[in-house]
Amino acid sequence: RKEVEQDPGPFNVPEGATVAFNCTYSNSASQSFFWYRQDCRKEPKLLMSVYSSGNEDGRFTAQLNRASQYISLLIRDSKLSDSATYLCVVIGSARQLTFGSGTQLTVLP
Amino acid sequence: GAGVSQSPRYKVAKRGQDVALRCDPISGHVSLFWYQQALGQGPEFLTYFQNEAQLDKSGLPSDRFFAERPEGSVSTLKIQRTQQEDSAVYLCASSLIFSNEQFFGPGTRLTVL
Repeated sequence: RKEVEQDPGPFNVPEGATVAFNCTYSNSASQSFFWYRQDCRKEPKLLMSVYSSGNEDGRFTAQLNRASQYISLLIRDSKLSDSATYLCVVIGSARQLTFGSGTQLTVLP
Repeated sequence: GAGVSQSPRYKVAKRGQDVALRCDPISGHVSLFWYQQALGQGPEFLTYFQNEAQLDKSGLPSDRFFAERPEGSVSTLKIQRTQQEDSAVYLCASSLIFSNEQFFGPGTRLTVL
């Protein structure tokens, strides 16, 4: 079993739709969690950190469920520019840093 | 200020050749990471430096891979006797401290023929 698992998609949604991605992790001692965005043939860029209390940044909401060991990303009112691959990142207690394989999102006009 | 830069951006090597990939992190960033990203996959951790100290090299796939950061700034990832399975994008990232946001360079796309 991979340490960090994501549904690879692709998710194809119309503009304006709400879409949610989940990411599960196997190391219960994991300490820090992030969502990164990667455009085609570009480097990953931080989208948002994920806090235990959940956090929101505009149309984006991230949540952490430690009991079930998963994090989620919700995107509301999808824009064409949201089309990208979304990577979840987990940092463990031994400072191991693990990326998921990414979930591909395409927002259609 | 300048971001993370990597060179070369593209490298084609014949199987068996040695290659050296360079990373210039953001000035003042203590932590530096190397990743390998195969097509359609997320980045896979290779190694991590805190200043000049290589604190974790558990992700290096074989002893043909070697990384250094002698002065705590620029880092070089060297791959000896390249194999076709080494073909990937090699990403470098830096952060102020380990658990902070990582800033990625554009990557070096290595193709081994």
